[in-house]
Amino acid sequence: DTGVSQDPRHKITKRGQNVTFRCDPISEHNRLYWYRQTLGQGPEFLTYFQNEAQLEKSRLLSDRFSAERPKGSFSTLEIQRTEQGDSAMYLCASSPRLAGARGGETQYFGPGTRLLVL
Amino acid sequence: AQTVTQSQPEMSVQEAETVTLSCTYDTSESDYYLFWYKQPPSRQMILVIRQEAYKQQNATENRFSVNFQKAAKSFSLKISDSQLGDAAMYFCAYRSGSYSGAGSYQLTFGKGTKLSVIP
Repeated sequence: DTGVSQDPRHKITKRGQNVTFRCDPISEHNRLYWYRQTLGQGPEFLTYFQNEAQLEKSRLLSDRFSAERPKGSFSTLEIQRTEQGDSAMYLCASSPRLAGARGGETQYFGPGTRLLVL
Repeated sequence: AQTVTQSQPEMSVQEAETVTLSCTYDTSESDYYLFWYKQPPSRQMILVIRQEAYKQQNATENRFSVNFQKAAKSFSLKISDSQLGDAAMYFCAYRSGSYSGAGSYQLTFGKGTKLSVIP
């Protein structure tokens, strides 16, 4: 069990450029989540996948944001036409689907991708 | 919508002493889960402890224990015998126990408490 990994760990880009982040969940975890964390705040939910299906999106996920999980394994988060307000830590988490867990299964977090938009 | 409030932005504790971090939440649901996560500087977030709302018994994990007061919607974390490695941001989080409706899958976090441990 190698844990959740994210790539890149740091990204600096200029306003207006597109960026893409990758998340590799713990193997056999069928649930995958993206969160955004700004300085001094707790993580805020962006979106959720169960296998390859994107089941929930936050209103924080504007039209410039798109997330995919094409084969139900790794996921990508793309931000188009980046803005300075997109500067944040982007966290990925995964969890297993446990029978009878009723929402209580633990979400395991990756190290995050820190984005700075100049 | 559920909200989570951590009223202590920063706390400090002497090494080997005990400290309690506060968390309150607001929900209309009766079935839910509460979590404390630890985020060390420049390191990833890890689960410290979790509590099922339908269980009356407070959860414990080694030096970490919670005081869960469902009626008061309070969920505090007690760290006993504090160690230097306990220094981190601590986040309280809520998750619905239901898989129906918007927001069912997400964790809702508080703003965090920064814990410093004094040698």
